Amino acid sequence: GAVVSQHPSRVICKSGTSVKIECRSLDFQATTMFWYRQFPKQSLMLMATSNEGSKATYEQGVEKDKFLINHASLTLSTLTVTSAHPEDSSFYICSAQLAGGSYEQYFGPGTRLTVT
Amino acid sequence: AQSVTQPDIHITVSEGASLELRCNYSYGATPYLFWYVQSPGQGLQLLLKYFSGDTLVQGIKGFEAEFKRSQSSFNLRKPSVHWSDAAEYFCAVGVYGNKLVFGAGTILRVKS
Repeated sequence: GAVVSQHPSRVICKSGTSVKIECRSLDFQATTMFWYRQFPKQSLMLMATSNEGSKATYEQGVEKDKFLINHASLTLSTLTVTSAHPEDSSFYICSAQLAGGSYEQYFGPGTRLTVT
Repeated sequence: AQSVTQPDIHITVSEGASLELRCNYSYGATPYLFWYVQSPGQGLQLLLKYFSGDTLVQGIKGFEAEFKRSQSSFNLRKPSVHWSDAAEYFCAVGVYGNKLVFGAGTILRVKS
């Protein structure tokens, strides 16, 4: 149980375009989902916390207009990287928490974004 | 501010040898502690967690960790390492807002 999927697993896009990444909890309801960014050989950096039905909370230094997050249902959150630039190339990972709360997070397999 | 320190960036052990990965945390309240493992190009898999109670917790794949409040540590151990354990290991502490703060990670290499 507690499986989280991400789609796509890899995406290459041209500079200036937008790309959407989906995060789904497959067998549980997640009131809260998190989006992380991971640079090569580095740890995970929390970008934002996404709560179903409300606006996402962004961490300091993360541009909310560039990284649009939507959490329209208890099983789906999306991250849209708008006007992508090469420096946005990274590994993006989402996680989900069970409804009813605890700190335990279940992670998706990640999305490798390359902006050319 | 809350933080997690994993002092060892890389560790190499021989297959069959014992393993200990170090983790120290800084957090003012009662910590919720986690160990995750990440294989290359993959997401994170939860190995074990500590919320309260017995300070020695058992996880999946034969791993265990011991919470020591006096040392602010939560070290991960395994008595006999298998080649398939080669991966990157992250320690994390749960903080306000149900967030996790991760350490920098320790890359485990297993030599045969």
